Amino acid sequence: DTAVSQTPKYLVTQMGNDKSIKCEQNLGHDTMYWYKQDSKKFLKIMFSYNNKELIINETVPNRFSPKSPDKAHLNLHINSLELGDSAVYFCASSQVLRAGTGELFFGEGSRLTVL
Amino acid sequence: AQSVTQLGSHVSVSEGALVLLRCNYSSSVPPYLFWYVQYPNQGLQLLLKYTSAATLVKGINGFEAEFKKSETSFHLTKPSAHMSDAAEYFCAVSGDDYKLSFGAGTTVTVRA
Repeated sequence: DTAVSQTPKYLVTQMGNDKSIKCEQNLGHDTMYWYKQDSKKFLKIMFSYNNKELIINETVPNRFSPKSPDKAHLNLHINSLELGDSAVYFCASSQVLRAGTGELFFGEGSRLTVL
Repeated sequence: AQSVTQLGSHVSVSEGALVLLRCNYSSSVPPYLFWYVQYPNQGLQLLLKYTSAATLVKGINGFEAEFKKSETSFHLTKPSAHMSDAAEYFCAVSGDDYKLSFGAGTTVTVRA
C-alpha cells in the first residue's frame, strides 16, 4: 500500500498543452509539498500546503497552480506547457509543518516531457 | 536563509571501501540537517537526520554522519560500500521555517 502515490508516472505532451499531476498520501499527514527535479537532479521546492492552506509558494510561474481538495490530496495543474517545464515532479508529505523537525515522505515522481 | 553545498557531484568507490560524501551548510540559525537517498526511478527516502541532539548520527543501511559546527559540515560516511549503495545522495538543511533546501546531489557508483 503506497504511502505517497502520484499519477501519472510518465507524461509526454506538446508545448502549449495543459496537464495535471495528482498526488495522494495515506499517512494521515497534514503537510504536503511539490518539488521539481531538473535534468541535473537539482531539487527545488515549489509549493507546500498544510491542511489545505497554502504555506509556501516559491517563485514559480503562475502557469503552475496547486490545488488541495483535502489534506490527503495535493494536485498540480500546469497551463501552457513550455519546454523548460520538462522535469520530474515529486510530491511529498510530512507529519509536521516545520520541515526541520520531521521527515519528508516522497512519491516516486512524475516525469514530464514537453515536446 | 539556509543552504547546503555538496562537494563532489560524483563519487566512485570499490565494493568494501569507505564511502565519504561531503556536505557543508550555511545557516543563520541552528540548523536541522538531513541526508536523503534516491535510488534510480524512485523518490527520496530519509537516511538520517541531525536535530541538535548527538553530533554523531546513525542512520539506516550502515550510514552515519557527524555534525561539526566549527566546520559547518555534515559529512556522510559508510565504512564498507555495498553494490546496493549505488544511488544519488542529497544533503538538506532547514532552519526555523517551513522549507527544506536540498544540495545538488552526489552520485555514488560502486565498483565490483
